[in-house]
Amino acid sequence: GQQVMQIPQYQHVQEGEDFTTYCNSSTTLSNIQWYKQRPGGHPVFLIQLVKSGEVKKQKRLTFQFGEAKKNSSLHITATQTTDVGTYFCAGTLEYGNKLVFGAGTILRVKS
Amino acid sequence: DADVTQTPRNRITKTGKRIMLECSQTKGHDRMYWYRQDPGLGLRLIYYSFDVKDINKGEISDGYSVSRQAQAKFSLSLESAIPNQTALYFCATSLYFDNEQFFGPGTRLTVL
Repeated sequence: GQQVMQIPQYQHVQEGEDFTTYCNSSTTLSNIQWYKQRPGGHPVFLIQLVKSGEVKKQKRLTFQFGEAKKNSSLHITATQTTDVGTYFCAGTLEYGNKLVFGAGTILRVKS
Repeated sequence: DADVTQTPRNRITKTGKRIMLECSQTKGHDRMYWYRQDPGLGLRLIYYSFDVKDINKGEISDGYSVSRQAQAKFSLSLESAIPNQTALYFCATSLYFDNEQFFGPGTRLTVL
């Protein structure tokens, strides 16, 4: 079964509202990656987090890696219509050798 | 030019037919992957290869086979296609297994 769980599955926000998607693993992750897939497109890498408690920012996007390295979040401040798409987290299980993707969160932004 | 290309981009076929999806990359990466995307299920790994001589099954390899013809080429075959293999298929590459992955544009496969 899926070892990396992602919630919510779907979120529809008003432009300007904030958005957060969460990623959880039952086992420790050696790293977590985030990808964005625009409608009709392919997944594109956003960022990788490696350290416990790490926080990284990219303009309006804030990424966090939990202290136990079992969870992560992506927060978008003041969403814009260009943010629409599916956001995936993907983790490498500790002692593993491949990425495991979450099911993704579909974001729709109403202007 | 795209670093990771996939052919065909769209394919409609019938149950029982043999289908091959091809992936080529110019990134010089050893590691290549085939994923399947279904609504609500995200990206599921079918097969992966860490070099030309190393092929590994992913979580949903049944009904699929692969061939790594060269560092730059990784093909996915459906020996006898069935309707529940209708999906969007992505090829990806990476430098190391825990580095960012670069995805191709995808192949939309419909099995009737």
